[in-house]
Amino acid sequence: DGGITQSPKYLFRKEGQNVTLSCEQNLNHDAMYWYRQDPGQGLRLIYYSQIVNDFQKGDIAEGYSVSREKKESFPLTVTSAQKNPTAFYLCASSVRLAPGYEQFFGPGTRLTVL
Amino acid sequence: SQQGEEDPQALSIQEGENATMNCSYKTSINNLQWYRQNSGRGLVHLILIRSNEREKHSGRLRVTLDTSKKSSSLLITASRAADTASYFCATGTGANSKLTFGKGITLSVRP
Repeated sequence: DGGITQSPKYLFRKEGQNVTLSCEQNLNHDAMYWYRQDPGQGLRLIYYSQIVNDFQKGDIAEGYSVSREKKESFPLTVTSAQKNPTAFYLCASSVRLAPGYEQFFGPGTRLTVL
Repeated sequence: SQQGEEDPQALSIQEGENATMNCSYKTSINNLQWYRQNSGRGLVHLILIRSNEREKHSGRLRVTLDTSKKSSSLLITASRAADTASYFCATGTGANSKLTFGKGITLSVRP
């Protein structure tokens, strides 16, 4: 089955810890994205990548970091510098970075800071 | 920055009724997409309409686009309880730009 997966589904973090959220796709898509969703809110773009070894900051990149060493993988690290990390995180991919392509979303990771 | 804004924020209807949701945006767009999100899940793409199109259909979905008013509407006909979800519009501007999502509309369909 082709698709996009995220793990873990739920993640708990103590204050001051870094955590890494996994995102993998086997759709052979060039572009990948990380979004943050807070209750009752829309999606806010954290980082995006249009090709391997390239990534760009989105609207709310502070306190987050990413890497894109492989086409299939785009992990997101939530660092201790992110002051309010509790949220639902969604990873997505598209054929290319262009608005004419639909985005395919993973099932999400819910991060809670204890 | 938020490009698309959906209206109403919440909508509750009876099964069998039609549901109409609106999206307004501020700047010129290349295309507009609608997505659906079930509670606690990822988004699922519903339909894409390009700036030179006025109307598109997909099953029970009808999307219109009025570029002069900078608005789009999503109509779900003969709604079902399973249509209960949040619906988001997303706009794309430049040729290599990313999508910008609105805050979404919560649709409740009562059985």
